[in-house]
Amino acid sequence: NAGVTQTPKFQVLKTGQSMTLQCAQDMNHNSMYWYRQDPGMGLRLIYYSASEGTTDKGEVPNGYNVSRLNKREFSLRLESAAPSQTSVYFCASLFTGGNNEQFFGPGTRLTVL
Amino acid sequence: QQQVKQSPQSLIVQKGGISIINCAYENTAFDYFPWYQQFPGKGPALLIAIRPDVSEKKEGRFTISFNKSAKQFSLHIMDSQPGDSATYFCAASKGKLVFGTGTRLLVSP
Repeated sequence: NAGVTQTPKFQVLKTGQSMTLQCAQDMNHNSMYWYRQDPGMGLRLIYYSASEGTTDKGEVPNGYNVSRLNKREFSLRLESAAPSQTSVYFCASLFTGGNNEQFFGPGTRLTVL
Repeated sequence: QQQVKQSPQSLIVQKGGISIINCAYENTAFDYFPWYQQFPGKGPALLIAIRPDVSEKKEGRFTISFNKSAKQFSLHIMDSQPGDSATYFCAASKGKLVFGTGTRLLVSP
């Protein structure tokens, strides 16, 4: 099992460019999450998907969109990147009804110039 | 609005010592309190977790102490080792996780 995988690992964008961060899990988990991690601020929830076909906003959704493509995949899109979106992005997944443990991917380090 | 406050920001402990990290929460509806450990360049990984119906949970060298009336919980790492050097996040959940701001722990040899 690969667990939670994320691509790319690193990305540099110019202001105004768009990109999609990919996330996939092979644990048959129902719920998936996107977080951003900034120094001194911990992890903040951007969007989540409780099940295939549903998505909801988290704490900091502005400037982002998501797609739950199927049960395995959950993508995060930046339509017009801004320097404030420079961060490390983590995807996580959870088996609903289990022990509440979220499994995290290795992260994508994004720099917006 | 920070719902989970974590302290200290950083901590240096000698090998063999006890590391203590504290968290306080505001929302009494939270019903799950995990601690995550993160090494540089990696994603966070669950270390230990507790529910509010118990006051303490121990797994090896790691213990969570939970004080429901004070709305506080803490992580104790006994016999701290250099391999424990990492960033630790407390969190609280009622469906969705709310994270603290993290504590960078350095265990000196």
